[in-house]
Amino acid sequence: KAGVTQTPRYLIKTRGQQVTLSCSPISGHRSVSWYQQTPGQGLQFLFEYFSETQRNKGNFPGRFSGRQFSNSRSEMNVSTLELGDSALYLCASSLQGANTDTQYFGPGTRLTVL
Amino acid sequence: QKEVEQDPGPLSVPEGAIVSLNCTYSNSAFQYFMWYRQYSRKGPELLMYTYSSGNKEDGRFTAQVDKSSKYISLFIRDSQPSDSATYLCAMMGNNDMRFGAGTRLTVKP
Repeated sequence: KAGVTQTPRYLIKTRGQQVTLSCSPISGHRSVSWYQQTPGQGLQFLFEYFSETQRNKGNFPGRFSGRQFSNSRSEMNVSTLELGDSALYLCASSLQGANTDTQYFGPGTRLTVL
Repeated sequence: QKEVEQDPGPLSVPEGAIVSLNCTYSNSAFQYFMWYRQYSRKGPELLMYTYSSGNKEDGRFTAQVDKSSKYISLFIRDSQPSDSATYLCAMMGNNDMRFGAGTRLTVKP
């Protein structure tokens, strides 16, 4: 069965722009979580969606937002990009949630902000 | 003090060694404890999941959680070169999820 897919894989933007990243979960999975990974801060939890509702949210500013569609695909949006937003953005899907024993990560989207 | 403390290593061991990876945390609300393995240029892979205190074994891997000490461990027995990766601890509770900084492990043949 197909894994978690993320598009695009690489993205270059300039400060002030906005960006939308996409995540398609494994078929049948209803939970999608988003994470930011940087060399300095490591892996940080952004938010989790389950059945189109945001269930948990990490400690990130309001410039970071997301949504989930009825087919469980999820998008993450970052507005007014800053240099510090350069990171690998990972999404993970699971049947029931991030706090379960079935969670699969996608390959990530590498965002560079110039 | 960070919410989750994990020794970043690097840690280098010979093949066949027993590896011990550890994390400490400060938030007593954490109830779910995970260990992830991340190979270079790949997304993390969930290795072990434990709810509350106790031990869990899966093949060569054993996860231990001691909530009273706020301390979790991952043991790898008979380590293999294919175990060379970065290992991250993670914990979740009260709508909060935190990760350790990751320990880079190299298993030498």
